[in-house]
Amino acid sequence: ETGVTQTPRHLVMGMTNKKSLKCEQHLGHNAMYWYKQSAKKPLELMFVYSLEERVENNSVPSRFSPECPNSSHLFLHLHTLQPEDSALYLCASSRLTGTGYEKLFFGSGTQLSVL
Amino acid sequence: KNEVEQSPQNLTAQEGEFITINCSYSVGISALHWLQQHPGGGIVSLFMLSSGKKKHGRLIATINIQEKHSSLHITASHPRDSAVYICAALVNRDDKIIFGKGTRLHILP
Repeated sequence: ETGVTQTPRHLVMGMTNKKSLKCEQHLGHNAMYWYKQSAKKPLELMFVYSLEERVENNSVPSRFSPECPNSSHLFLHLHTLQPEDSALYLCASSRLTGTGYEKLFFGSGTQLSVL
Repeated sequence: KNEVEQSPQNLTAQEGEFITINCSYSVGISALHWLQQHPGGGIVSLFMLSSGKKKHGRLIATINIQEKHSSLHITASHPRDSAVYICAALVNRDDKIIFGKGTRLHILP
């Protein structure tokens, strides 16, 4: 148990569906991340929210839309996804201090299948 | 070429063997993470280090900043150590995190 909780654990959706992934942490962290892990590829950073502001977006398609209503919760809203978006989506959190980001804590991930 | 390279990609060893996984990076970093990912996806952060050596149980991580190289060692390996081990570099210039592709470790009983 890392203290970072993701739901749902598994999700199957059609290309026309709209769904949301949820991430929650009560570790007192002030930075939260969405990562995508596709088969045989390194982890890809999708979004970072630091102090509740989005500070990085690595040209992720607009069909992925993050939301961070407060420092403990992070959502990833999905709409009109493509089959190639099928992957493991991981949430992580850490603390941002004056000297940079501290150790990452990961959730268990949501295994997404797009049909 | 990825800015963070791990070797080997795959490693199979017998229970009890001493395991070494290597990570080399080409960017200036403020720290390096070693992560463990079990089948099913869950990731655990093992170490974060910026210099020297850290030890936790049977796991040891070392880093050489001048050579831009880090190693993760497992002593007296056990089948439950079977997992993917990932190194991740925290880049100085912009606080980005760059991940290696991971090393898949399989320990045979």
